Amino acid sequence: SQKIEQNSEALNIQEGKTATLTCNYTNYSPAYLQWYRQDPGRGPVFLLLIRENEKEKRKERLKVTFDTTLKQSLFHITASQPADSATYLCAPDSGGYNKLIFGAGTRLAVHP
Amino acid sequence: EPEVTQTPSHQVTQMGQEVILRCVPISNHLYFYWYRQILGQKVEFLVSFYNNEISEKSEIFDDQFSVERPDGSNFTLKIRSTKLEDSAMYFCASRGQTEGNSPLHFGNGTRLTVT
Repeated sequence: SQKIEQNSEALNIQEGKTATLTCNYTNYSPAYLQWYRQDPGRGPVFLLLIRENEKEKRKERLKVTFDTTLKQSLFHITASQPADSATYLCAPDSGGYNKLIFGAGTRLAVHP
Repeated sequence: EPEVTQTPSHQVTQMGQEVILRCVPISNHLYFYWYRQILGQKVEFLVSFYNNEISEKSEIFDDQFSVERPDGSNFTLKIRSTKLEDSAMYFCASRGQTEGNSPLHFGNGTRLTVT
């Protein structure tokens, strides 16, 4: 069956450090991978989308990599700030307008 | 920036009652979704909707659930006879047509409490 695995433990890091979050998937062949941020009591907010033929995508302090051989995406936040504290969700995307299935998310806490 | 709006933000209902959760998707979007999130758990897909019909539904979306787009702007989720286990956050999302693929735009949810 299809499975999406994200670090289940919360990630605690010091302000200014780089946070790295992992998303592994099995029994998917996604054309894209999407990352979202979710704050408590709020809906997920789209951050980045990476295509299968892209190795890396950047947006300001965010960087996403996508390795279709390893079936893994890494999400990096450089120079992290307490305001980056949230849960980050990944979603392999087969393309078109099909449903997105989300991983359980990784909770990031950035401490001053 | 246009956004997805959901009402009410909180709904408390008694077991067995019907509830209707309302959503106004982004105006030029054509693909609509409902998700739910039980407290402390993951965001789960319920149903997708396009061209006035259900495209796909999950196992959670049983006969107690229905969706409707009654006019050009609203998208509703009805739970016919609520159960305690229906207590959750319900998120509406929409998606537009762009080249390549497009992200989901979520509302901020309706917190449903069934007592």
